[in-house]
Amino acid sequence: EDQVTQSPEALRLQEGESSSLNCSYTVSGLRGLFWYRQDPGKGPEFLFTLYSAGEEKEKERLKATLTKKESFLHITAPKPEDSATYLCAVQAVGNAGNMLTFGGGTRLMVKP
Amino acid sequence: GAGVSQSPSNKVTEKGKDVELRCDPISGHTALYWYRQSLGQGLEFLIYFQGNSAPDKSGLPSDRFSAERTGGSVSTLTIQRTQQEDSAVYLCASSLAQSNEQFFGPGTRLTVL
Repeated sequence: EDQVTQSPEALRLQEGESSSLNCSYTVSGLRGLFWYRQDPGKGPEFLFTLYSAGEEKEKERLKATLTKKESFLHITAPKPEDSATYLCAVQAVGNAGNMLTFGGGTRLMVKP
Repeated sequence: GAGVSQSPSNKVTEKGKDVELRCDPISGHTALYWYRQSLGQGLEFLIYFQGNSAPDKSGLPSDRFSAERTGGSVSTLTIQRTQQEDSAVYLCASSLAQSNEQFFGPGTRLTVL
C-alpha cells in the first residue's frame, strides 16, 4: 500500500527564516511525486512534479528535491504570503487511474 | 474560466437526504478525479474517469456513493441517504492525460446535520 508522511504537521517561521518541509513516501514504483499548496477554503494549487531521484525544481522562493525515499520542499526567505498548507502526493506505476495518494500536509505560518 | 469549477460551493443537508455535487473540468481534459478531504483524514481518492467510463471506483466508501460523467465533460457525484460522516470537502480534479498533473477545483463543502 502506498503511504505518504509529511513532517512537521505545523511550522511557524519568522519572515526571512528559511526552512524545509519533509515528505517521506513508500510506493511500489514511483511514477511521480507532486507538491501542492492549499489556502484555506480553496482547492490545492499545483506547484511541482518530480519524477526521479536527484531531480530538483524551483519556483520563486520554493525548491523541491527528490530522493528514493523522500522529498523536501525548501523555502528560502519566506514571506507572510507563503503561509498555507503544503501537500505532497505520489502517483504509483501500474495504478490504472494515476490516482494521487496524499500526505497529511504541513501547515506553514510565516510571521512578519 | 480556465479552471475546474464545482457547484455548489457549500451544501447543508439533513441526514438521510440525497445530494448531487457537480464538477466542470478544464476544457479538453480527458481524465477527471473525485477526492474527499475530511478533518483528520487528509485527501482521499474516490473515483476516476477516463472519458465517460470509470475504470477505477475503488475509493468509493460505500454503495451510497455513485458518480457519472456525460459527454466526456461534466461529472456528478451523488450521495444517497447521507450520513453525518459524509461531511467533508469534495474536490474534483482534471488532467490532460493520465500521466499529467491534476488541477483541482475549489471544492464543495458538504455538511450533513
